[in-house]
Amino acid sequence: AQKVTQAQTEISVVEKEDVTLDCVYETRDTTYYLFWYKQPPSGELVFLIRRNSFDEQNEISGRYSWNFQKSTSSFNFTITASQVVDSAVYFCALSEARNYGQNFVFGPGTRLSVLP
Amino acid sequence: DAGVTQSPTHLIKTRGQQVTLRCSPKSGHDTVSWYQQALGQGPQFIFQYYEEEERQRGNFPDRFSGHQFPNYSSELNVNALLLGDSALYLCASSFDEGNIQYFGAGTRLSVL
Repeated sequence: AQKVTQAQTEISVVEKEDVTLDCVYETRDTTYYLFWYKQPPSGELVFLIRRNSFDEQNEISGRYSWNFQKSTSSFNFTITASQVVDSAVYFCALSEARNYGQNFVFGPGTRLSVLP
Repeated sequence: DAGVTQSPTHLIKTRGQQVTLRCSPKSGHDTVSWYQQALGQGPQFIFQYYEEEERQRGNFPDRFSGHQFPNYSSELNVNALLLGDSALYLCASSFDEGNIQYFGAGTRLSVL
């Protein structure tokens, strides 16, 4: 069965600090997709990144970076020099190719508070 | 280019009633998925519609049903509402397998 764990329920940091959000997943499929979404107070889930299981390259996008390690089934997300606008709930999600890659299983989320 | 739109934004119902939520997918998307998000939790997959048929279903009772129209818009119906159905209902659209799902702002349903 597919499962996503985000062990950090809440994190508070002061602006300009770096912060890493952890994500550990479980799947029996060899082909799967991993995602990160941001949910601000407005409620809409905002897409941040997608990774497929064959692409273990780390990615950097501005202040955001992602570390995908199949050996530890982890897909961690780091925000460098955090800003108040980064305050939100962040979700890691997994979908398996046998489900057309579209039946998302979400983790419980990590609430990030960035204090000025 | 309009994103995923959902209506209504908020809804208040009483136990036993029925409710219909609506979703218009992002332009060019043919697949619509519905999720239920209880307070403080991650979204839970309800079901997915593709080519006007339910293609996949999560662990939700038959009280939850849906429909997809030829223009790819979709409805979620919940019958015999329970207090536990109170949640944010999110619609997501996508195209092709393994592709990014784009979410609407959701409908917040309160069952009293």
